[in-house]
This record gives sequence, structure tokens and C-alpha cells, in this order.
Amino acid sequence: AQSVSQHNHHVILSEAASLELGCNYSYGGTVNLFWYVQYPGQHLQLLLKYFSGDPLVKGIKGFEAEFIKSKFSFNLRKPSVQWSDTAEYFCAVNPLGAGSYQLTFGKGTKLSVIP
Amino acid sequence: GAVVSQHPSWVICKSGTSVKIECRSLDFQATTMFWYRQFPKQSLMLMATSNEGSKATYEQGVEKDKFLINHASLTLSTLTVTSAHPEDSSFYICSPRTGIGEQYFGPGTRLTVT
Repeated sequence: AQSVSQHNHHVILSEAASLELGCNYSYGGTVNLFWYVQYPGQHLQLLLKYFSGDPLVKGIKGFEAEFIKSKFSFNLRKPSVQWSDTAEYFCAVNPLGAGSYQLTFGKGTKLSVIP
Repeated sequence: GAVVSQHPSWVICKSGTSVKIECRSLDFQATTMFWYRQFPKQSLMLMATSNEGSKATYEQGVEKDKFLINHASLTLSTLTVTSAHPEDSSFYICSPRTGIGEQYFGPGTRLTVT
């Protein structure tokens, strides 16, 4: 079965620092990739997604992610974080050809941004 | 757009009782509904998938007789936790998916079984 690994459980950054959150997946075939964000007390929201084409994907709120097929990675980046980015971030994978639309989630990375 | 509601948002029940959680897609139609549970500091774990008007497909290890899922319409799905036990205490999240592949998430329901 496919799995998704997020390397960091908790990341603490100062405002204006750059962010990179790692995500690796284990599935040999074609995948759709997602990053979701969960702000404190709120539900999951889609940040960005990759289906095909340009491996550098831009999402909302200045986030971007790069799909590196050879590394089975889909790392999330933001050049300058803000206090309002404090949230939990989840990477998710949907393997194509699996016959379903199921998402497999990573365990999440909690980001705390210090003003 | 894409508003998903869950009711109740928080429920406490006694061991042995049943709890029903409702999930509504308020401004779109959900052809597929996913139900997840999330334990503290852990990821979302898929429990089951249902298509409107069909029986749900449960993930391995999820008891279908304990977690009853009904997806009677394109805007409403329910999850009933029957004979709840303390180990069922968790955060339950519905995730409706449209026919064109857009997937959204409900705000979740925190279930505490005493």
C-alpha cells in the first residue's frame, strides 16, 4: 500500500524566514499530489495540487511545491512566512490507476511562526 | 462556494450508546463521500468511501457494522457510530468529492466516549 512521509513533525520559524516542508511518497505509478492546510480550529483547505505538466506548482497564499518524480517527493515551499501561516500542513497522494479517488495523507507538519 | 457542514461539531456520549454525525455539502453535489478519522497528532485515516445511493466501501480494519454510513442524497451523508466505546473517541471528518474531482473537507466532529 502507498504511504506518505512528512519528515518534520513540528517546525518553528520566525516571520520572514523561508519554509520548506518535506513530503515523500511510496508508489511506483502515476500520482496526483496535494498539500492541505489546517488552521487552528478550522477544517482542511487545499493549498495546491499537482496532476500533470509543470512540476513546479503555485498555490494560494504564496505557497509553491515542486514535484521531483525521481525522488518521489513533493516538497512545499514559501520564501517568507508570516505569523498567519501558523497551521498544520498535510501532504496527500492519490495514486492513479488504483481504481479510486482515495487520498493517502502524511502525518502532518505543524508550523509555528513566531512574530 | 464549496461549503461543507458537519453536525454536531462536538459530542460526548456514554459507552454503549450510538451517535449519528451528519455531513452536508451546502452548495454543491457530492457524488462521492469519504469519511476519515484523525487521532491526536496523527494523520487522517480513511475509514470508508461511499457513492450516492450505493453501499459504502470500508477500509481494512474498519468494522462496517459499527460505523454505519448512509449516503442517501448528493448533499447529505451520515456516519453512525454504534455501541460506541472509549477507543472510538476521535475526530471524524467527512470529505465530499464532486463529479469533476474537487474534494473538500468538513470541519470535523469530535467524539468523546465516556
